[in-house]
Amino acid sequence: QVQLQESGPGLVKPSETLSLTCIVSGGSLSSSDWWSWIRQPPGKGLEWIGEISHGGDIHYNPSLESRVTISKDNSGRQISLKVASMTAADTALYYCARNVWPPRFDDWGQGTLVTVSS
Amino acid sequence: EIVLTQSPGTLSLSPGERATLSCRASQSVSRAYLAWYQQKPGQAPRLLIYDAFTRATGIPDRFSGSWSGTDFTLTISRLEPEDFAVYFCQQYGTSPPRYTFGQGTKLEI
Repeated sequence: QVQLQESGPGLVKPSETLSLTCIVSGGSLSSSDWWSWIRQPPGKGLEWIGEISHGGDIHYNPSLESRVTISKDNSGRQISLKVASMTAADTALYYCARNVWPPRFDDWGQGTLVTVSS
Repeated sequence: EIVLTQSPGTLSLSPGERATLSCRASQSVSRAYLAWYQQKPGQAPRLLIYDAFTRATGIPDRFSGSWSGTDFTLTISRLEPEDFAVYFCQQYGTSPPRYTFGQGTKLEI
């Protein structure tokens, strides 16, 4: 089992770009691993943002695709998320998670809260 | 996009009782592509069930999943105090968005 740790600025101004990092530690990584970003506005439900594979394939939620970029480093142990043109509606707890097959999110980080405010 | 509708929104029960939570998909979902999560305040979601009925590692057998057509059910046979939480269902599809979640059911005492 891996451990996931998200980090980010906590507070972002409207129209700015959010940058978050997820560090993957422990366990062994597989070529079949996929890594997702998921967010949860305070007191609300979960929204899948997108995913990246071990090999670098990427899928985004169409609702966010125009503003979102997911990437990873060569080691596969640092997953990044960028969200452009942030608004108050993007205020949420942002999680990274590992997807496995059959499709499910097996491991989650503890999440990082991002507030959009001037 | 497949929409998952969970019911009820809130379920009020007592320890020892049986809980039945529903998740209805707006269109056909492969049984293998439906999962359930438990989320407690201040914590990340925890995987309970995948493949509609397979318990994740370490999940007690009082948790069970079933399905009929587009209707999926999470049953907790005898509620323990630690089971009071919010429960989400999640599906995977080949069309975007690949993953969607239900809006959640709050299980309260």
